[in-house]
This record gives sequence, structure tokens and C-alpha cells, in this order.
Amino acid sequence: RKEVEQDPGPFNVPEGATVAFNCTYSNSASQSFFWYRQDCRKEPKLLMSVYSSGNEDGRFTAQLNRASQYISLLIRDSKLSDSATYLCVVIPTGTSYGKLTFGQGTILTVHP
Amino acid sequence: DTGVSQNPRHKITKRGQNVTFRCDPISEHNRLYWYRQTLGQGPEFLTYFQNEAQLEKSRLLSDRFSAERPKGSFSTLEIQRTEQGDSAMYLCASSRAVYEQYFGPGTRLTVT
Repeated sequence: RKEVEQDPGPFNVPEGATVAFNCTYSNSASQSFFWYRQDCRKEPKLLMSVYSSGNEDGRFTAQLNRASQYISLLIRDSKLSDSATYLCVVIPTGTSYGKLTFGQGTILTVHP
Repeated sequence: DTGVSQNPRHKITKRGQNVTFRCDPISEHNRLYWYRQTLGQGPEFLTYFQNEAQLEKSRLLSDRFSAERPKGSFSTLEIQRTEQGDSAMYLCASSRAVYEQYFGPGTRLTVT
């Protein structure tokens, strides 16, 4: 089983739609969680951290369920510019230096 | 722009040749990471430096791979006797804090 698993999609949604991505992780003791965004042929960039209580950044909401080992990202009012690959990222426990473990990514295409 | 630079951006080589990539991190960042990304997958951790010390190497890093970070500034990743399976995007990231990793644009290696 992969350490971090995501539905690869692709998700094709119209502008203005709400879309949600899910991610599961296998190591129950994982300590830190993130969503990264990667545009086509570009480097990954941090979108947001994921906190236990859930957190929101504008149109983006991240949730963490430690009991189910599940992370989600909700995007409201989708924009064309949201089209990208969204990578779920976990830092395993016992890692003091920040080794990032990535899921395979979920492809999102927002169309007019 | 993240400030991490990588050279070359693209490299085409024949199987069996040696290649070397360079990463220049953001100047005040003491942590440096190498990742490898193949098509349709998320980046996979290869190795980590804190200053000039290489503190962690992935099992993915076979004996044909070597990385250095002399004087704790730029880093090089060398692949000896390249194989077609080495074809991938090689990403470098740097950070000052544990979690905030900034990625460079990557070096795309094609082994023919």
C-alpha cells in the first residue's frame, strides 16, 4: 500500500463549481499534512497546511481526520486558474527534517 | 519566483553516460532536498542536506547516484552509468524551517 493515496482524477468542472479532493495516508503516526499545487511542467508550490481543527484560506478549505487517516481539500467557486494538479503531502512521524511524502496527485481542469 | 535555481533545465543523454545536475538554494536556507518525479506521479524523496552534511538518503538512491553540498551552499546530484529508468524530473528544494520547502524548476532528464 502506498504511504499517501489520492484519486488521480481527472476532475473536469465548470467555472463556479465546488470540487473536493480526498487523500488517505497509511502511517497513523504521521505528524504534518499539506496540500501542494503543481501547474503543468512547473514545480510544486505549497497551497496550504492542514490543521487538525480544519482551516480555510479564501476559497480553499482543508480538513484532517486523524481517526480515519484522511485529508480533504475543498475548492469553492472554481476559477479557470485553479486548473492544476493537487498533491497531498504528509510528513511521517520521526522525521525531524521535513521529508515530504507525496501522493500521486489529483488533476483538476476547470472549464468555462 | 521561489529563488531556487537548477541547471541545466533539460538534459538528454545516452544510456551509460554520466550526468551532473546543480541546485542553488535560496541563500539563507540551510536545508536542501532532492526529489525525483516521474510522469503521473508525485515527487519522491531522494536525499537531504543540512548545511554540508548529508543526513538522509532514500533507498531509491542507488550506488550510481551521489549528491554533494560542499560548503553548505549549492548542491550537485550525479548519476553514473545512466539507465532509461533514470529518465525523470529531478527537483531540488530548500528551506530554513522544517516545513516550508521551496522547489526549484527542476531538471528534466531523458536517457535514450
